[in-house]
Amino acid sequence: EAQVTQNPRYLITVTGKKLTVTCSQNMNHEYMSWYRQDPGLGLRQIYYSMNVEVTDKGDVPEGYKVSRKEKRNFPLILESPSPNQTSLYFCASSPLKSTDTQYFGPGTRLTVL
Amino acid sequence: QQQVKQSPQSLIVQKGGISIINCAYENTAFDYFPWYQQFPGKGPALLIAIRPDVSEKKEGRFTISFNKSAKQFSLHIMDSQPGDSATYFCAASMNRGSTLGRLYFGRGTQLTVWP
Repeated sequence: EAQVTQNPRYLITVTGKKLTVTCSQNMNHEYMSWYRQDPGLGLRQIYYSMNVEVTDKGDVPEGYKVSRKEKRNFPLILESPSPNQTSLYFCASSPLKSTDTQYFGPGTRLTVL
Repeated sequence: QQQVKQSPQSLIVQKGGISIINCAYENTAFDYFPWYQQFPGKGPALLIAIRPDVSEKKEGRFTISFNKSAKQFSLHIMDSQPGDSATYFCAASMNRGSTLGRLYFGRGTQLTVWP
């Protein structure tokens, strides 16, 4: 089944404890992106990647890191999480030939205490 | 600073009525305006999108109206149904007619359609 998977789906952690949210897609898509969703603020883009080893900042990259060492994976790294990074995170992927369709993952709900 | 301003924040419509959600932008470099629909517990899904050289685009009961001079665009849902109850996001990009790359979202509108 073609899909975007995120792990973990739920995570409660403490301030300063490094964590990684993984995103994996099995559709051989070149493009991948991370978003965060907060009540009243909508969706905001964190980072995106047009292909392996190519990443760019989105609207709110501060406090996050990404890497794209292989096509299928695009992990989101929080080196020193803070409470203001408590949010719902979505990963998405798309083939470059498609201008529209982004396949979104199921989301990761992160709480930083 | 919010690049795309969306209103209203919430909307209640009776079944069969017309739902209208409005968005405005300032950056004239935007060249693609998609709308997304999100159901509770799910990721967003593209609903319909428009380029600025077109004033209107219709897909089934969903229509985007685009006013380039006013820098505004809106989503109209005709004959609204309870199954349309969801959160709707407008967005804008300057990626040569693509959502791939930098993508700016509005804050969302929670639509409830009463049966």
